[in-house]
Amino acid sequence: SQKIEQNSEALNIQEGKTATLTCNYTNYSPAYLQWYRQDPGRGPVFLLLIRENEKEKRKERLKVTFDTTLKQSLFHITASQPADSATYLCALDDTGTASKLTFGTGTRLQVTL
Amino acid sequence: EAGVVQSPRYKIIEKKQPVAFWCNPISGHNTLYWYRQNLGQGPELLIRYENEEAVDDSQLPKDRFSAERLKGVDSTLKIQPAELGDSAVYLCASSRPDNYEQYFGPGTRLTVT
Repeated sequence: SQKIEQNSEALNIQEGKTATLTCNYTNYSPAYLQWYRQDPGRGPVFLLLIRENEKEKRKERLKVTFDTTLKQSLFHITASQPADSATYLCALDDTGTASKLTFGTGTRLQVTL
Repeated sequence: EAGVVQSPRYKIIEKKQPVAFWCNPISGHNTLYWYRQNLGQGPELLIRYENEEAVDDSQLPKDRFSAERLKGVDSTLKIQPAELGDSAVYLCASSRPDNYEQYFGPGTRLTVT
């Protein structure tokens, strides 16, 4: 069966360090993968999209990698700040048409001073 | 630009009662999505509209759920009758043509007692 796995345990890191979140998937052939941020009581907010033929994507302090052989995406936040504390969701689409995103369960990141 | 608007933000009803949620997408976004998000889980797609046409309703429990998007703009999601297991956050999202980024509203938190 298809599965998207994100670490269900919260990730606690110190301010200034790099946070690395993992998204593993099975029985998908995603055309692209997206990362969203969700704060309590709010809807998800789009952060980055990476296509199957791209290995890495960057946006300011954010970096996403996509390894279709390992079936894994890594999401990095460098120089993390307390304001980065939130739940981060990965989402896959294997239709290639943006028609159907399947979300992981999300990983909660807590950045402390 | 104004974001996706949803109402109400919170709703508490007794089981077997009907309930409706309303969504106004971002102007110019022809694709509209309804998702359900259970506590600790990622959003799950219920239905996707392209303009006024429901192009993917495979995940919508059609015995009690219905949706409409008259004139291809606003949309309403209805549950009748509600069950205890319907307690969740119902999220609406929209996207532009040929753009994979989805913009989410704040959601409606439904509690069925």
